[in-house]
Amino acid sequence: GIQVEQSPPDLILQEGANSTLRCNFSDSVNNLQWFHQNPWGQLINLFYIPSGTKQNGRLSATTVATERYSLLYISSSQTTDSGVYFCAVRGSNFGNEKLTFGTGTRLTIIP
Amino acid sequence: DVKVTQSSRYLVKRTGEKVFLECVQDMDHENMFWYRQDPGLGLRLIYFSYDVKMKEKGDIPEGYSVSREKKERFSLILESASTNQTSMYLCASSFWGQPQHFGDGTRLSIL
Repeated sequence: GIQVEQSPPDLILQEGANSTLRCNFSDSVNNLQWFHQNPWGQLINLFYIPSGTKQNGRLSATTVATERYSLLYISSSQTTDSGVYFCAVRGSNFGNEKLTFGTGTRLTIIP
Repeated sequence: DVKVTQSSRYLVKRTGEKVFLECVQDMDHENMFWYRQDPGLGLRLIYFSYDVKMKEKGDIPEGYSVSREKKERFSLILESASTNQTSMYLCASSFWGQPQHFGDGTRLSIL
């Protein structure tokens, strides 16, 4: 099956810093989602981005499908950005709706 | 906004009990999913359903069954709960080819 790797596994930053999280995947995909899991366990949709670039406030994401990676950028970090960030992909074979998750990047923002 | 509602945030059950986890979505999505999340293992797919009364096994279906009698409701059943089924359970739903939306999760402890 498709493999998803995220880096770095852990990241500790001062409030106000910028960060880049990476997601590599092993095969062609027709769906890529970025999620933020908050300390209460809720999984929040950040981006649906199978290709191209999107921005939402201080967050933006870029997926280069031909090179099989995606990047999540967080600018001017706030303590509420802390949590685990997951990348999940769906393979491009027909009828496959299953998402495969990476093991996540744990982000800690220090005041 | 999509609303995926899981019946309990926290649940404590005893070994051998039959356990029902309920999930309801309000967006008329065809697809519904059950995942479990464990430290170091990420999110893994247990079962999914693409229509009423239809189900497909995911990566780790052993020890679980599911029921989808109505389009909006997808139930996960632990026939005889065991301690290794202590985990965080997450339900999701989607239209075909569209992003998955997750509920808040149920933290299940089996004593």
